[in-house]
Amino acid sequence: QKEVEQDPGPLSVPEGAIVSLNCTYSNSAFQYFMWYRQYSRKGPELLMYTYSSGNKEDGRFTAQVDKSSKYISLFIRDSQPSDSATYLCAMRRYNTDKLIFGTGTRLQVFP
Amino acid sequence: DSGVTQTPKHLITATGQRVTLRCSPRSGDLSVYWYQQSLDQGLQFLIQYYNGEERAKGNILERFSAQQFPDLHSELNLSSLELGDSALYFCASSVTLARGNYGYTFGSGTRLTVV
Repeated sequence: QKEVEQDPGPLSVPEGAIVSLNCTYSNSAFQYFMWYRQYSRKGPELLMYTYSSGNKEDGRFTAQVDKSSKYISLFIRDSQPSDSATYLCAMRRYNTDKLIFGTGTRLQVFP
Repeated sequence: DSGVTQTPKHLITATGQRVTLRCSPRSGDLSVYWYQQSLDQGLQFLIQYYNGEERAKGNILERFSAQQFPDLHSELNLSSLELGDSALYFCASSVTLARGNYGYTFGSGTRLTVV
């Protein structure tokens, strides 16, 4: 079993929809949680990061962490065609540098 | 431009050959990470260097090796290449994450095709 599980999609939604992307994990030692966005043929770029449980909001993006359920989410409000990309969750334990990534969910937002 | 520079962008080579991928980290970053990305496996951690020394090792094959030089640039050497080594290879850099909770900055990758 992989440490981090993520539905690969693809997820296809109309412009303006609310998108929910999720990851589950098995290692309770993970403390830092991140979401990366990767456009085709580009490197991943950091979107959001959170420490431990709770919510964090940045513009149209909201990241949620539920450590009791070992479940993290990324919500995108008012989705735009420019949001079409692969979204990767990533996480790490305290005091280590190594990030463990999910396999990524491909999102398509159509006009 | 993320500030992390990877060369070359594309590489096509034959089985059994050896190649070297190069990475220059973002200014001020001491850590360099190498990841392999394939369609079915996602981003797989290979190795991390911090200020010239190996810090962590992941699922890196014995045919692969890496090093970080005094100017902090890093090279990933892949030898005795097999068809299955075809993938995107990403380099990322950071300050040591243990001091904070921010992630890596990735380069744009090297696409390796082994024929």
